[in-house]
Amino acid sequence: EAQVTQNPRYLITVTGKKLTVTCSQNMNHEYMSWYRQDPGLGLRQIYYSMNVEVTDKGDVPEGYKVSRKEKRNFPLILESPSPNQTSLYFCASSFLRSGLNDGYTFGSGTRLTVV
Amino acid sequence: ILNVEQSPQSLHVQEGDSTNFTCSFPSSNFYALHWYRWETAKSPEALFVMTLNGDEKKKGRISATLNTKEGYSYLYIKGSQPEDSATYLCAFKRDAGGTSYGKLTFGQGTILTVHP
Repeated sequence: EAQVTQNPRYLITVTGKKLTVTCSQNMNHEYMSWYRQDPGLGLRQIYYSMNVEVTDKGDVPEGYKVSRKEKRNFPLILESPSPNQTSLYFCASSFLRSGLNDGYTFGSGTRLTVV
Repeated sequence: ILNVEQSPQSLHVQEGDSTNFTCSFPSSNFYALHWYRWETAKSPEALFVMTLNGDEKKKGRISATLNTKEGYSYLYIKGSQPEDSATYLCAFKRDAGGTSYGKLTFGQGTILTVHP
């Protein structure tokens, strides 16, 4: 089944404790992206990657890191989480020329709480 | 940051009603307009990807139109059912060469509640 797999689904952590949210897709998509969803603010892009070893900042990159060492994986790293990073996170992927196909495929989301 | 606006923010309708919402986006450097349906506790799912001015897409009782010259798209639901209750997101992709290729900017969504 074509899918984007995100883990974990839920995570409660403490301020300053490094964490990684994993994202993996099995559709050979070039493009992968991380979004966060906050009430009243919509989906905001954190980082994106257009291919292996090609990553760039989105609209709200502060406090996050990513890597793209393999085509299918795009982990999101919070080196020192803070309470303002409490949010719902989504990973998404698509073919690079996604205007011509079915759009983004989203993961199931990660609900992160930083206390 | 690009401005993608959706209206209304929320909508309550009765089962059987037809409804529509609007997505406004920049009219310059258009590449594509996406619509997504997002049910509670699930992840967004793509409904339509629209690329040409005048495009009309249809999937069952849901359809969408696109006007790139004036920068808006409408999503229509005919004969709403309770299972249509969801947040409907539109997303705009700008044509600006390789650096923005694939980047979608989302609107805040329209929350639709269909009452039995």
